[in-house]
Amino acid sequence: LAKTTQPVSMDSYEGQEVNITCSHNNIATNDYITWYQQFPSQGPRFIIQGYKTKVTNEVASLFIPADRKSSTLSLPRVSLSDTAVYYCLVKSPSGGYQKVTFGTGTKLQVIP
Amino acid sequence: SAVISQKPSRDICQRGTSLTIQCQVDSQVTMMFWYRQQPGQSLTLIATANQGSEATYESGFVIDKFPISRPNLTFSTLTVSNMSPEDSSIYLCSAEKGDTQYFGPGTRLTVL
Repeated sequence: LAKTTQPVSMDSYEGQEVNITCSHNNIATNDYITWYQQFPSQGPRFIIQGYKTKVTNEVASLFIPADRKSSTLSLPRVSLSDTAVYYCLVKSPSGGYQKVTFGTGTKLQVIP
Repeated sequence: SAVISQKPSRDICQRGTSLTIQCQVDSQVTMMFWYRQQPGQSLTLIATANQGSEATYESGFVIDKFPISRPNLTFSTLTVSNMSPEDSSIYLCSAEKGDTQYFGPGTRLTVL
C-alpha cells in the first residue's frame, strides 16, 4: 500500500480557499486517491475520490497531476464548521475489495 | 450511501473483562471493517470481515484478542477480550458500499 504524507496542521481564515496537498510517491497503477473528513467524536466522512486529473463535487475539488504522485484537496470558501482533520488515502484493490490505509491526517483550523 | 450505527457509543470496563461492540448497516454490504483510533491519532485497521468467512486480521492483531462475527450482510460484532488499559481507544466499524467506505460513529472504550 502506498504511504501518504500530508501536512500535520493548517490554519485558514473564514471565507478563504484552502488547499491541502498529499504526496503518495509509491502509488500503484490501479490505486485511487480518496479524502475523508473527521470531526471530533465522529467517524470519518467521505469527501471526494479520484484517479487522475480533476474531480469536483458539491463539497470540494480534487486535483491529481499526470504522474499521480501527489494530490490536492481544495475546499472553497471555508467556514468555521470546516474545522476538522482531513485524511488523504490511497485505496488499493486487494482480494476483491478496496483496502485503505489512513495516514496521519491534516488538522485544519478555520479562524474567524 | 450507507448509514452505520454502533452500540455501545461508549463504555468503561474493568481490566480482564471483555466487551462486544455491535455494528449495524442500513443496507446489505459485502465487506465490513473494524478500526481502532487512539485519542488524537489516525485510524488503524484491525481486521476485515466478509460475510460467510473468517475475518482477516492485520499485522499486530489476533483473533483471540479481537474475535469478530459476521452473521449476515448487515451486521458485525467485534469483541475486545481480556482487556487492559492499553485497549482504551475508539473502535470504529466501516462498510464498503460501491466504491466508498462509510464509517460508524465509533465506540469509545475506557479500561480501568
